[in-house]
Amino acid sequence: EVQLVESGGSLVQPGGSLRLSCTASGLTFSGRWMHWVRQAPGKGLEWVSGINSDGSGTFYADSVKGRLTISKDDAKNTVFLQMNSLRGEDTAVYYCTDVDAYWGQGALVTVSS
Amino acid sequence: QAGLTQPPSVSKGLRQTATLTCTGHSTNVGNQGALWLQQNQGHPPKVLSFRNNDRPSGISERISAATSGSTASLTINGLQPEDEADYYCSAWDMSLNAWVFGGGTKLTVL
Repeated sequence: EVQLVESGGSLVQPGGSLRLSCTASGLTFSGRWMHWVRQAPGKGLEWVSGINSDGSGTFYADSVKGRLTISKDDAKNTVFLQMNSLRGEDTAVYYCTDVDAYWGQGALVTVSS
Repeated sequence: QAGLTQPPSVSKGLRQTATLTCTGHSTNVGNQGALWLQQNQGHPPKVLSFRNNDRPSGISERISAATSGSTASLTINGLQPEDEADYYCSAWDMSLNAWVFGGGTKLTVL
């Protein structure tokens, strides 16, 4: 059974930083594009960032460009999302996913003073 | 980034058929098709239909998907109470290098 487990979500002040991690079991990230998708409270799904299969290419939504950085460590089968200069509108559940098939349970990030 | 268009809500009676629609563009739905996700309150999304309209293992045969041009549809036959949920479509946009999502359709089973 495939499991994606996110960690690192918490309450952070505006302007602060946070690093989310996503570790997989039953699935290898090597050779697979991976993404972060978020969902603000009561809202729909929003793609945030993606990384290509060999890690050489990263892609971002305009709303997070320059503030969030996606990376992955295939040896540890882990994907990361470094979040800097956080704003209130970044408050959401962040899902680690390949979108096509597998979704994690999500990590809650709350940006508030 | 522009998203896909879904009706905000659809209501149908028990055992009836619901068809949910998702309109995109030639760079996304019209290029590689759309996948469909079901989300129940407080839970992560679950894939109901792949971009090629096939169902993942374990998804009910009452569910089917189709694509015509840049419009995708999800049909649920014989509606049951457990089908009441939020449904999202999504597609990879080749010009944006991004996944785009619809705003979601809340399906109510009366």
